[in-house]
Amino acid sequence: GDSVTQMEGPVTLSEEAFLTINCTYTATGYPSLFWYVQYPGEGLQLLLKATKADDKGSNKGFEATYRKETTSFHLEKGSVQVSDSAVYFCATGTYKYIFGTGTRLKVLA
Amino acid sequence: EAGVVQSPRYKIIEKKQPVAFWCNPISGHNTLYWYRQNLGQGPELLIRYENEEAVDDSQLPKDRFSAERLKGVDSTLKIQPAELGDSAVYLCASSSRDRSEKLFFGSGTQLSVL
Repeated sequence: GDSVTQMEGPVTLSEEAFLTINCTYTATGYPSLFWYVQYPGEGLQLLLKATKADDKGSNKGFEATYRKETTSFHLEKGSVQVSDSAVYFCATGTYKYIFGTGTRLKVLA
Repeated sequence: EAGVVQSPRYKIIEKKQPVAFWCNPISGHNTLYWYRQNLGQGPELLIRYENEEAVDDSQLPKDRFSAERLKGVDSTLKIQPAELGDSAVYLCASSSRDRSEKLFFGSGTQLSVL
């Protein structure tokens, strides 16, 4: 069945550092890919998505590109802020969504 | 717009007791999901509804779990009897037909089975 593997955390960075959170997937067909974020004390919310190969999703300075040849959807941000501290989940699917285990990011001032 | 509302926020019960969780999705969202999230893990789908029909319940442990979505709006997830391993956060999410790929999650119900 479909699955998602993302890098384990926690990831600790200083403010303004570059962020990469790796995500790879296995899936039949051509599912959409997502990054969800869970801020402390809040519910999961969609951060960005891409629906087909080579699409780039972006939001709040975060980007991820749907790479079919490497089955990857790595999350990147050029300069993280303390307010980006959260748990990030990679997900794949169409109607039935499979989530990764989450990567906790902590950004230090 | 109001978000997905879940209650209760927390529930502590003893094993073998029944428990129920309630979800009110965003108005107009025809698709409703129940997920279970164990500590340190990602959400795992239990059941998906399209209106009042359960279209995917393959991951629902049917010997002890049941769910319903009367009139295609609110939904209830029940566990009877609860086991220690059921301790987790139970998440409800909804989506609309025109934006079906964006899930809106509630804050979840954190269940502790003692």
